[in-house]
Amino acid sequence: AQRVTQPEKLLSVFKGAPVELKCNYSYSGSPELFWYVQYSRQRLQLLLRHISRESIKGFTADLNKGETSFHLKKPFAQEEDSAMYYCALRNGAQKLVFGQGTRLTINP
Amino acid sequence: EAGVAQSPRYKIIEKRQSVAFWCNPISGHATLYWYQQILGQGPKLLIQFQNNGVVDDSQLPKDRFSAERLKGVDSTLKIQPAKLEDSAVYLCASSVRPTSGNEQFFGPGTRLTVL
Repeated sequence: AQRVTQPEKLLSVFKGAPVELKCNYSYSGSPELFWYVQYSRQRLQLLLRHISRESIKGFTADLNKGETSFHLKKPFAQEEDSAMYYCALRNGAQKLVFGQGTRLTINP
Repeated sequence: EAGVAQSPRYKIIEKRQSVAFWCNPISGHATLYWYQQILGQGPKLLIQFQNNGVVDDSQLPKDRFSAERLKGVDSTLKIQPAKLEDSAVYLCASSVRPTSGNEQFFGPGTRLTVL
């Protein structure tokens, strides 16, 4: 069975500090990993996907198959990064499985 | 383009009552999803439609939940009768198709409170 684990429910960092949101997964096949974000009073939206290997809003995430991780990183946090972040995995049946989410708060 | 629309945005009912949620996906999106998001958890897929056919309803509690997507466009999700544990946000999402590379776009959700 596939599972996505986000070990931190809450994460608080100061503006300008580096941010890392952790995500670990378990899946026997070749996974497709995503990060979704939900800003206050907005709908859930895709932030980035591992196959794109791109940086969005300064965030990057690298798929580490050896450690089964897909951590989200940003070198310098900004106040507008405060939001709920969800890691998700798409399995062979094209079904999205979400982690529990991490609430990121950037302190001024 | 217009996003995924859902209504109502909020609903409060008593246990054992019935409730229905409506979703209008993005025009041209063949795949429609209903998710349940309980407080403090990530979204959990309840049912997935491809056009008007069900692709996956393995996590839908079929004794009380039902969903349909007549004509392959709008969809309704019904709960009858509701239980306290059904209190959650119900999210609708749509994508052009379900395959790799196709982004799911989410609606604003319907927050259901069962008293």
